[in-house]
Amino acid sequence: SQKIEQNSEALNIQEGKTATLTCNYTNYSPAYLQWYRQDPGRGPVFLLLIRENEKEKRKERLKVTFDTTLKQSLFHITASQPADSATYLCALRPTGGTSYGKLTFGQGTILTVHP
Amino acid sequence: EAGVTQSPTHLIKTRGQQATLRCSPISGHTSVYWYQQALGLGLQFLLWYDEGEERNRGNFPPRFSGRQFPNYSSELNVNALELEDSALYLCASSFLERGNTIYFGEGSWLTVV
Repeated sequence: SQKIEQNSEALNIQEGKTATLTCNYTNYSPAYLQWYRQDPGRGPVFLLLIRENEKEKRKERLKVTFDTTLKQSLFHITASQPADSATYLCALRPTGGTSYGKLTFGQGTILTVHP
Repeated sequence: EAGVTQSPTHLIKTRGQQATLRCSPISGHTSVYWYQQALGLGLQFLLWYDEGEERNRGNFPPRFSGRQFPNYSSELNVNALELEDSALYLCASSFLERGNTIYFGEGSWLTVV
């Protein structure tokens, strides 16, 4: 069955360090992969989208990599700040098949950045 | 430009009743998605509508239903409410384009007592 797994439920780091979050998937056809941020009690906010033919994408302090051979995406936040504390979700949208249109989310990783 | 708007923000219903949640997509977006997020759990895909048609459905019983109106707004109906239906219901919208981003509203909190 199709699965999206984010490797840890919670990640605690010190301010200024780089946070690295992992997203693994199985049994998906080539897809776009997206990362979202969710604060408690609020809707997720889109951060970055990476296509299957892209290895890496950056936006300010954020960097996403996408390895379709390993079926894995890494999400990095450099120079992390306490304001980066939130739940980060990866999401996968198949490009075809019966699941088309169904953006499926991982369970999320709760990131806490300590001052 | 206004984002996705949802109403009501909070709703309290009694077990067995029906709940109706509403969503207005971003202007120009034709697709609307509904997700359920129970407390402490992940986002579960409920429904996807585009151009007034239901395009895909998650693993939820038929008492979860909805529709999309000609102006692309949508409503989600939950019949015969159960305690386990208590959750944050999130609506999102997008252009129907492969791989495109979806944009979420702030959600509607449904509490079933």
